[in-house]
Amino acid sequence: AQKITQTQPGMFVQEKEAVTLDCTYDTSDPSYGLFWYKQPSSGEMIFLIYQGSYDQQNATEGRYSLNFQKARKSANLVISASQLGDSAMYFCAMKEKGGGNKLTFGTGTQLKVEL
Amino acid sequence: DTGVSQNPRHKITKRGQNVTFRCDPISEHNRLYWYRQTLGQGPEFLTYFQNEAQLEKSRLLSDRFSAERPKGSFSTLEIQRTEQGDSAMYLCASSLEVGNTEAFFGQGTRLTVV
Repeated sequence: AQKITQTQPGMFVQEKEAVTLDCTYDTSDPSYGLFWYKQPSSGEMIFLIYQGSYDQQNATEGRYSLNFQKARKSANLVISASQLGDSAMYFCAMKEKGGGNKLTFGTGTQLKVEL
Repeated sequence: DTGVSQNPRHKITKRGQNVTFRCDPISEHNRLYWYRQTLGQGPEFLTYFQNEAQLEKSRLLSDRFSAERPKGSFSTLEIQRTEQGDSAMYLCASSLEVGNTEAFFGQGTRLTVV
């Protein structure tokens, strides 16, 4: 079974609008962390936001927020007020406490911001 | 020290040749990771070091792959007898041992085996 599922291969959003990128995960480990990374065409993976499994509140970092629904095992990324520079590949990833220190990534969502 | 540095950025090699990549992590980070990313996929874990000790290896890391971090600072990833299937982006990341432990990635080395 896929540990991280991103069902949207591509998304379009108009500049200044909000967009939600979906991520569902599968784990039996009670302690885990969820991460979102942005990968522009240059290739570097840029850390955006983190949510711990025991965190009571949804994580926020500037224009990024994470809609964490633990019972549904979903961790969707919300980008508010989209900018042209947000066009990139976005990856959801998970680190399980019992899984060593590796990140398990989804297949990503390509976001295109349009004028 | 502004981030994780990887060299070279691009490498084209003939099948059967050996290649070596280098990663310089953020200086105070004692954890270092190697990932491989093929086209259209997310990165896949290869191996992980804490200081100079290699603590975890993926089964993706065949006998032709070897990674070292001799002094707990920079790391090298060597691929022997390259195959066309080794063509990918090789990403290095580093992190602190405590705290949130988000990993910071370098820009990667893109390997093309012809």
